[in-house]
Amino acid sequence: GQQVMQIPQYQHVQEGEDFTTYCNSSTTLSNIQWYKQRPGGHPVFLIQLVKSGEVKKQKRLTFQFGEAKKNSSLHITATQTTDVGTYFCAGYKRSGGGADGLTFGKGTHLIIQP
Amino acid sequence: DSGVTQTPKHLITATGQRVTLRCSPRSGDLSVYWYQQSLDQGLQFLIQYYNGEERAKGNILERFSAQQFPDLHSELNLSSLELGDSALYFCASSVDRGVGGELFFGEGSRLTVL
Repeated sequence: GQQVMQIPQYQHVQEGEDFTTYCNSSTTLSNIQWYKQRPGGHPVFLIQLVKSGEVKKQKRLTFQFGEAKKNSSLHITATQTTDVGTYFCAGYKRSGGGADGLTFGKGTHLIIQP
Repeated sequence: DSGVTQTPKHLITATGQRVTLRCSPRSGDLSVYWYQQSLDQGLQFLIQYYNGEERAKGNILERFSAQQFPDLHSELNLSSLELGDSALYFCASSVDRGVGGELFFGEGSRLTVL
């Protein structure tokens, strides 16, 4: 079945440092989504990337979708304490026989030291 | 507030028992997804329903079953519970039938099996 690998599992940074998490799929994806889950909370949608090579920005967050549509990254510039949480990528693969559902990576836990 | 309602928020039960988790999707959303979140396994996709019909199946155990009712609410039934079933169970909804649209997550139902 479809697998989505995400690294690193944990990332400790000093406040103000940059942060990047990477997502790799074993198969070509139709699209990829990113979610953020605050400690004790539920996943909240951040963005969806659809096109090969697509780059989208949301303030200090930059999302990229690889040319082969098998990998993606999320980069946060100058982290703030409000960025703490777990960042999940989720890949969607549309198959002929029906949807495979949205497969989530295991997430990257971002820990920020003030 | 995502608009997705899950009950109960917390549930403690014993091995061998059966429980039912309930989810009301956002108004207007036709798709309901169930995910299991354990400490080291991230978000595991269990099953998706669209407008009352099963649309996609993930790693759902045979001891688990789900359904979506005419009013679009969904229930996840977990039977013959084992210690390893202890987890946070999320329901999510989306407006479309699984072509990669944004998922809105409920706050989850935390199941503890003793």
